[in-house]
Formats: sequence, C-alpha cells, structure tokens
Amino acid sequence: DAKTTQPNSMESNEEEPVHLPCNHSTISGTDYIHWYRQLPSQGPEYVIHGLTSNVNNRMASLAIAEDRKSSTLILHRATLRDAAVYYCILKTSYDKVIFGPGTSLSVIP
Amino acid sequence: AAGVIQSPRHLIKEKRETATLKCYPIPRHDTVYWYQQGPGQDPQFLISFYEKMQSDKGSIPDRFSAQQFSDYHSELNMSSLELGDSALYFCASSSGIGVYNEQFFGPGTRLTVL
Repeated sequence: DAKTTQPNSMESNEEEPVHLPCNHSTISGTDYIHWYRQLPSQGPEYVIHGLTSNVNNRMASLAIAEDRKSSTLILHRATLRDAAVYYCILKTSYDKVIFGPGTSLSVIP
Repeated sequence: AAGVIQSPRHLIKEKRETATLKCYPIPRHDTVYWYQQGPGQDPQFLISFYEKMQSDKGSIPDRFSAQQFSDYHSELNMSSLELGDSALYFCASSSGIGVYNEQFFGPGTRLTVL
C-alpha cells in the first residue's frame, strides 16, 4: 500500500480551526484518501474520504491538492472531544485499512 | 443507530489457553474485518470476510483462525495463547467492499494473557 506521512503530534486551542496535513507523494490515480480517528480507549472512527475533489461532511472537510500528493483534514472548530489520533490512509485495495503512525491531536481548553 | 457489537468486552486467559472473540456487524453489512492493536501501537489488519468467504489476510498468526457465519457474524479463534497476544481486538463491518467504503468499528475486546 502507498505510504503517507503525517506529523507525530499537533496542538490546537478549543473552538479554533485545525488543519491536519498528510503527504502521499506516491499516490496512484485510483487511490482513495481516507481519514479515520481514534479517541482514547475507543475503536477507530471513520471521518471522511475523497478522491480528487474537496469534500465536506458534518465532521470535517478534506482539502486535496491538485496533484493529489497531499491533503489536509480540516476541523472547523476543535472541541475537547476531537482530541484523538488522526490517521490519513490511502485505500488502494477494496478491503483492509492500513493504519500508519497518525497524528496525535491535543485540544487545549 | 445500531453499531458493531463485540463480545466479550474483556477477557483474561492463561498462556496456552484458547479464546474465542465474537463480532456482530451492523445489520445488512456483509463484510467483517478483524484488527489487533497492541499497547501503544496502531491497529494492524488481521483478516477480513465478504459474504462468508475470506477476502483478505494480513499478519494473522497461524494459531489464529476466523470465520463468518450465515448470519454474517464472525468469530476469531485464538489457540495456544502467548503473552504477546495481549491486545485490543477490533472488529469492523462495512456494506460490500470497495476503496470508497467506510468501515464501522466496534468497541473492541481487550484480551489479557497471563
């Protein structure tokens, strides 16, 4: 599976926007970009996914670079509940999700 | 909304014993995935089933086996347990398989091997 790189950790103040970057320079044309997050002591949770166009849902927005070599997950107003490990994943196969190191997001009250 | 159900939530076993973990997918989901998450590690894919057939296999030890039943629930059987098998085991389900399909994860089973 193609590789992604993310910062190990990030901090954000509560109620401010958060931009979580992800680099995936070896992405192929058919790879989907997925984001999952894992809150402490819980199972991973799907956040959003996209292919080429920017995507919005009730949880977040996904901004995909024109060359698709990078993407950014945007949380519009961070809450304490958003403190989690965020995983950027390239889904190359129809099946499994391959989790990488992810970004540990801390939200400061 | 109904979520993925895993049982038991906690399990304590001795070395060399066997364990069976159960997963009940979201209704009408036909695909089940198993993941293992060791302490301080990221989840690792073990195995998956689509329509009761194994669809993919990851780093699952030979001591482990799994199957998906006619009602789509799945069981992960673990034999000759070792201390290193102590981990959180997550089950996820999805409707069909595809690169765009999202997976819904259960709360996990925490296995402790003493």
